[in-house]
Amino acid sequence: AQSVTQLGSHVSVSEGALVLLRCNYSSSVPPYLFWYVQYPNQGLQLLLKYTSAATLVKGINGFEAEFKKSETSFHLTKPSAHMSDAAEYFCAVKGSQGNLIFGKGTKLSVKP
Amino acid sequence: GAGVSQSPRYKVAKRGQDVALRCDPISGHVSLFWYQQALGQGPEFLTYFQNEAQLDKSGLPSDRFFAERPEGSVSTLKIQRTQQEDSAVYLCASSLGGRLISSYEQYFGPGTRLTVT
Repeated sequence: AQSVTQLGSHVSVSEGALVLLRCNYSSSVPPYLFWYVQYPNQGLQLLLKYTSAATLVKGINGFEAEFKKSETSFHLTKPSAHMSDAAEYFCAVKGSQGNLIFGKGTKLSVKP
Repeated sequence: GAGVSQSPRYKVAKRGQDVALRCDPISGHVSLFWYQQALGQGPEFLTYFQNEAQLDKSGLPSDRFFAERPEGSVSTLKIQRTQQEDSAVYLCASSLGGRLISSYEQYFGPGTRLTVT
């Protein structure tokens, strides 16, 4: 069975600082991995996805993630945080039946 | 173009009432998923439709939960005799292709926040 673990329920960074949100996965088959962002009172928006092509995946809003099989990780990064990045971020893996299996989320705060 | 829409956005129900939550997927999308997101948690899968067929309802928490998609477009999630533990945000997502095709992403609606008092 597939699962994801997000390390850190809250992350706070200063504007302009590096953003690093951690995600580790468990999967018995090659995984399809996703990062979604959720702004308050809104649905989930796809940031990026890994589907076994390039291991470094670039997404929207300057975010990227690197798939590391040896570490079973898919951490999300952005070189320079912006105030508008404050939101909750969810890592997800595609389950064997096609549904998404989400982590518990990481709330990102950006300090001016 | 229009995304996934859900209505109502907010619903308050007294314990024991029945509720119906509506999802309008993106036109032409084959797959439709329902997820439940409890406060402070990630979304959890409830059920899946491919066109009008409900192929997976393994995530429905009890027989009080029922979903349908009779014409392969709009879907309704119904909860009978609501309980306080049903309080959550209910998210709908649609996808262009079948659920096992990895290249098709799921597009999410804004959700319905259900509060059972």
